[in-house]
Amino acid sequence: DTGVSQDPRHKITKRGQNVTFRCDPISEHNRLYWYRQTLGQGPEFLTYFQNEAQLEKSRLLSDRFSAERPKGSFSTLEIQRTEQGDSAMYLCASTSTRGEGEKLFFGSGTQLSVL
Amino acid sequence: KNQVEQSPQSLIILEGKNCTLQCNYTVSPFSNLRWYKQDTGRGPVSLTIMTFSENTKSNGRYTATLDADTKQSSLHITASQLSDSASYICVVSATGAGKSTFGDGTTLTVKP
Repeated sequence: DTGVSQDPRHKITKRGQNVTFRCDPISEHNRLYWYRQTLGQGPEFLTYFQNEAQLEKSRLLSDRFSAERPKGSFSTLEIQRTEQGDSAMYLCASTSTRGEGEKLFFGSGTQLSVL
Repeated sequence: KNQVEQSPQSLIILEGKNCTLQCNYTVSPFSNLRWYKQDTGRGPVSLTIMTFSENTKSNGRYTATLDADTKQSSLHITASQLSDSASYICVVSATGAGKSTFGDGTTLTVKP
């Protein structure tokens, strides 16, 4: 499978716990994005990387959220001290800036439920 | 502020019928507009990509149009099938911007 993969697909955690999600983009893609999506809404931008550099982070993003892409390949998104409002689908997408129209390829997402 | 507005919010049609979804945007300077299909519990999948110079693009039964002057796009679905039931999201990118602006989507339900 050469698509974007995300792990885990589902995560249930208790409020106050830390969680970490992983995203493996398409191998030749240099850009990687993280989005958050709640029911009935479009994906909300969180942050993006070009290679290993984090180029932008949403101003709406609490400092409890951190993302890394240490070798310019896979990325992790960590949420510390989770809150019930963090419950959402977390989507990862990748693209190549050398490609046509920067078409985003999405993973299937990680569904987070904070109890 | 860059914004993308989609209408209707939801739509129910009978199998075999056609439908048209609307997208209005205020993203500037415009680079490209994309329509995505998102099945429940899955990530969005690209249907079409259009740049400033393109005013129509087809992908099978899906046809997207773009009017860059009025900043409007539409997605027309012909001869709908049950598998077309999904959320359709309009995404607009600005030139030089790393991130795109997403609409909230139109939820389409196709009934037999």
